[in-house]
Amino acid sequence: DQQVKQNSPSLSVQEGRISILNCDYTNSMFDYFLWYKKYPAEGPTFLISISSIKDKNEDGRFTVFLNKSAKHLSLHIVPSQPGDSAVYFCAASVDAGKSTFGDGTTLTVKP
Amino acid sequence: KAGVTQTPRYLIKTRGQQVTLSCSPISGHRSVSWYQQTPGQGLQFLFEYFSETQRNKGNFPGRFSGRQFSNSRSEMNVSTLELGDSALYLCASKHRAGTQYFGPGTRLLVL
Repeated sequence: DQQVKQNSPSLSVQEGRISILNCDYTNSMFDYFLWYKKYPAEGPTFLISISSIKDKNEDGRFTVFLNKSAKHLSLHIVPSQPGDSAVYFCAASVDAGKSTFGDGTTLTVKP
Repeated sequence: KAGVTQTPRYLIKTRGQQVTLSCSPISGHRSVSWYQQTPGQGLQFLFEYFSETQRNKGNFPGRFSGRQFSNSRSEMNVSTLELGDSALYLCASKHRAGTQYFGPGTRLLVL
């Protein structure tokens, strides 16, 4: 039973446009959510997080939205840049315990 | 502050052998988690150590084991290697709770 799902394995976006990466979860106990970015041959890099007491968190070009009733979160990147091309993982945890990761979405930003 | 370091970065072994991977967390971080990433898969949680005690364990066979030392450094051991163990093994550390920071990973190839 996969508790965190990223249903889109890949996403292609034009430079300057918005990238929207989606993530769904099933465990209603999850209260802390994170997004990581991963380049080939490197470990994941923390991008942005959100606590379940919020529905939005913004950091520069990156915004994470949380819809608890739908058990859905999304990452918006505006504007998208070629350097944003990477694999993006969403993760969720209970009480800041161990994180459960999705399978990742490969984002390609075309110049 | 130095990041999470993992050694070795690359490793080639044959079936039936055993392997030990090492992880040095960020200074001051007492929690170390290990993940396995195989092509097309997300990050599969192996285990988490905190203050030399295993705090969480994923669904991996007993061939996968780990330990943590008093200086928070951690090792992961895989015995009787199988072809399917070929993967990128990632280590992540965090202070106590919250955001994990990943190392670059050890890429293991089992022939």
